[in-house]
Amino acid sequence: RKEVEQDPGPFNVPEGATVAFNCTYSNSASQSFFWYRQDCRKEPKLLMSVYSSGNEDGRFTAQLNRASQYISLLIRDSKLSDSATYLCVVNAANSGNTPLVFGKGTRLSVIA
Amino acid sequence: EPEVTQTPSHQVTQMGQEVILRCVPISNHLYFYWYRQILGQKVEFLVSFYNNEISEKSEIFDDQFSVERPDGSNFTLKIRSTKLEDSAMYFCASSLDRASRYNEQFFGPGTRLTVL
Repeated sequence: RKEVEQDPGPFNVPEGATVAFNCTYSNSASQSFFWYRQDCRKEPKLLMSVYSSGNEDGRFTAQLNRASQYISLLIRDSKLSDSATYLCVVNAANSGNTPLVFGKGTRLSVIA
Repeated sequence: EPEVTQTPSHQVTQMGQEVILRCVPISNHLYFYWYRQILGQKVEFLVSFYNNEISEKSEIFDDQFSVERPDGSNFTLKIRSTKLEDSAMYFCASSLDRASRYNEQFFGPGTRLTVL
């Protein structure tokens, strides 16, 4: 049973392109949603939390559809520095000590 | 900016040996976690810790694993008798208390454990 499922990668896109990643989660009780970024052999770093109404942070836009249990991340005007693996992450509750459940990640390569 | 730190960055050990991985969470955080990532696989939860006791643990966290907060700053993961399949990157994470609605967890740089 895959709890968090993501688009298979890799995505190879030219600089300046717009790219979208999708993710579905199986636990309907999930309350908190995140996108993390992981560079090769480094720790996951929080990119953005995903709010019910959708949210934007610069070139990054995240959307959540609770009915479909679907999360998306849109990256506009891709930069070389955006090359990384993007991890879709959920946890079951808003309390402070619930473990995070990670997707396997989608690798993005932005090419000059 | 405050950050989670971990030592050592790389640990090589022989099968059957005990290892202790160390972490210093962000100072005002109250919830602590260990995750692991086997090369090429997803990040997996091991254990969470709050108020000096384990809150939750996964099926991976069997009797050979233990965690401790020996003082006010360190958080350790001990593997009693390492197996080849314990080779992985081990990440420590911490988060604010339950008042933090989105439970943002911040990760340390990891310890790469290699069991020979």
